[in-house]
Amino acid sequence: EAGVTQSPTHLIKTRGQQATLRCSPISGHTSVYWYQQALGLGLQFLLWYDEGEERNRGNFPPRFSGRQFPNYSSELNVNALELEDSALYLCASSTQGDRTYEQYFGPGTRLTVT
Amino acid sequence: GENVEQHPSTLSVQEGDSAVIKCTYSDSASNYFPWYKQELGKRPQLIIDIRSNVGEKKDQRIAVTLNKTAKHFSLHITETQPEDSAVYFCAASGNYGQNFVFGPGTRLSVLP
Repeated sequence: EAGVTQSPTHLIKTRGQQATLRCSPISGHTSVYWYQQALGLGLQFLLWYDEGEERNRGNFPPRFSGRQFPNYSSELNVNALELEDSALYLCASSTQGDRTYEQYFGPGTRLTVT
Repeated sequence: GENVEQHPSTLSVQEGDSAVIKCTYSDSASNYFPWYKQELGKRPQLIIDIRSNVGEKKDQRIAVTLNKTAKHFSLHITETQPEDSAVYFCAASGNYGQNFVFGPGTRLSVLP
């Protein structure tokens, strides 16, 4: 069974630009979560998508947005990049069907804003 | 909303000793409490979880206890080994994975 995949692995942008990060969940998983992990810090919840809908949103400004496609893959968009957006962005997928809610994480995308 | 606190933020133990990490949560509706381990440069991975209808769960050297009345749960690692060195995150979640909130993490170092 293929795990959660994310692309790209690394992304370098300049301040003010836009970044697009992508996540493919495990087959059969309908939920995708996005987290920001700044260097040495914890997992800050960004967004939760399930069945194509945004279900919950963390305490981040509106320039962080995303969507979930019919095949349950997801995209995170960060507009008007700021230096402090530099971080590891992790996505995780889970299934609601078996009520375990275990989240399986992808390898992350390292975003560097210069 | 849910708030999860975790202590200590760093923990150093001698190899073979036990390690205990404690978390508290605020939302009494939370009923799923997983623990994730993140080794340096790697993704977080689930190591054990517990539900609100269970007070304790054990898996080899790892155990988790839950006190729903006091709204706290703990991770216990016995006979620690160098490969246990990592950052450990607790989390709390309600039904259907909603309000999935992670604690700030504990950096565990097992000294040889």
